[in-house]
Amino acid sequence: EAGVAQSPRYKIIEKRQSVAFWCNPISGHATLYWYQQILGQGPKLLIQFQNNGVVDDSQLPKDRFSAERLKGVDSTLKIQPAKLEDSAVYLCASSNPERPTQLQETQYFGPGTRLLVL
Amino acid sequence: GENVEQHPSTLSVQEGDSAVIKCTYSDSASNYFPWYKQELGKRPQLIIDIRSNVGEKKDQRIAVTLNKTAKHFSLHITETQPEDSAVYFCAASYSSGGSYIPTFGRGTSLIVHP
Repeated sequence: EAGVAQSPRYKIIEKRQSVAFWCNPISGHATLYWYQQILGQGPKLLIQFQNNGVVDDSQLPKDRFSAERLKGVDSTLKIQPAKLEDSAVYLCASSNPERPTQLQETQYFGPGTRLLVL
Repeated sequence: GENVEQHPSTLSVQEGDSAVIKCTYSDSASNYFPWYKQELGKRPQLIIDIRSNVGEKKDQRIAVTLNKTAKHFSLHITETQPEDSAVYFCAASYSSGGSYIPTFGRGTSLIVHP
């Protein structure tokens, strides 16, 4: 079974530029999460989708961050415009498989996108 | 919202010793508590989890305990090995809309000296 895929793996941009990240969850996983992990800290949930609907986006800085999951599969996270403090690893995770043999709660993380804003 | 405190931030032990990492949470609605291990430059991976209807769970050298009344849960690693060295994160999750919404702790850097 293929894992969660993310691209790009690394991105360097200047402040005030825009950037987009892509995530492809594990096939059949209904729930998709985007996290921001700043160096030395735990993952911070930005937005959570259940299929193509938003479950929670209370910690998403909506003035500059946006995310979508139009067909309930792939998702993109965009930052526009970027700030220095956005430098972090952006992790995507998925969970809640349709097959009953897997635990619904277990999150499977992608490799992350490391963003550096100069 | 939920607030998760994790201690210690750094834990250094000798190979073969036990290691204990503690977390507290604030929201009594949280009912699922996973622990993740993250090696340097890699993605977090689930190592053990516990639900609120269980007080303790064990998987070989790893165990997790939960005290719902006190709102704290702990990770216990026995007979530590150098390959256990990593950052460990706890999380407290509550269910909403058919999925779980997690809040992570800040992490504990575990160093196991050979």
